[in-house]
Amino acid sequence: AQKITQTQPGMFVQEKEAVTLDCTYDTSDPSYGLFWYKQPSSGEMIFLIYQGSYDQQNATEGRYSLNFQKARKSANLVISASQLGDSAMYFCAMREGDQGGKLIFGQGTELSVKP
Amino acid sequence: ETGVTQTPRHLVMGMTNKKSLKCEQHLGHNAMYWYKQSAKKPLELMFVYNFKEQTENNSVPSRFSPECPNSSHLFLHLHTLQPEDSALYLCASSPTLAPVGSGAGGLNIQYFGAGTRLSVL
Repeated sequence: AQKITQTQPGMFVQEKEAVTLDCTYDTSDPSYGLFWYKQPSSGEMIFLIYQGSYDQQNATEGRYSLNFQKARKSANLVISASQLGDSAMYFCAMREGDQGGKLIFGQGTELSVKP
Repeated sequence: ETGVTQTPRHLVMGMTNKKSLKCEQHLGHNAMYWYKQSAKKPLELMFVYNFKEQTENNSVPSRFSPECPNSSHLFLHLHTLQPEDSALYLCASSPTLAPVGSGAGGLNIQYFGAGTRLSVL
């Protein structure tokens, strides 16, 4: 079974609007961390936001927020006020407990921001 | 200058060649990673090093040989590769391999380089 599932291969959003990128995960470990990365066409993976499984509040970083619903095992990324520069691939990733630093990535969602 | 630098950015090699990929991090981190990103597939972890010691080998074929001489440098030595090894190879580093789950898990945030795009002919 896939550990990280991103069901949206591609998304479009109008500039200045908000967009939600979906991510569901599967783990039986009570300790885990969830990460979102952005990958522009240049190739570099850019860290956006982190959420720990014991964190009580949803993580926020500027225009990025993580909608963490533990019971549903979902960790959706919300980007507010989209900008043209937000067009990129977005990857959700998980690290479980003591898995030695191993990040498990989803298939990614390609976001296109329209002017 | 970015925190994690990878060279070369592009590499074309024949199946009988030997080449090396280099990664250098200027962030003072202790853990370094190699990932492979093939078309249409999620990133796959290859190797993890913590304080220069290899802590994870994700069943990688022996034609890929990592080397970590110190916490700032990581190499991936390549020999007798196959065409299916063509991919984007990404290096990453993180401060530690601390437990995840709480806010302190942010110490595990991995910062990536821009990658080496490898083509095996």
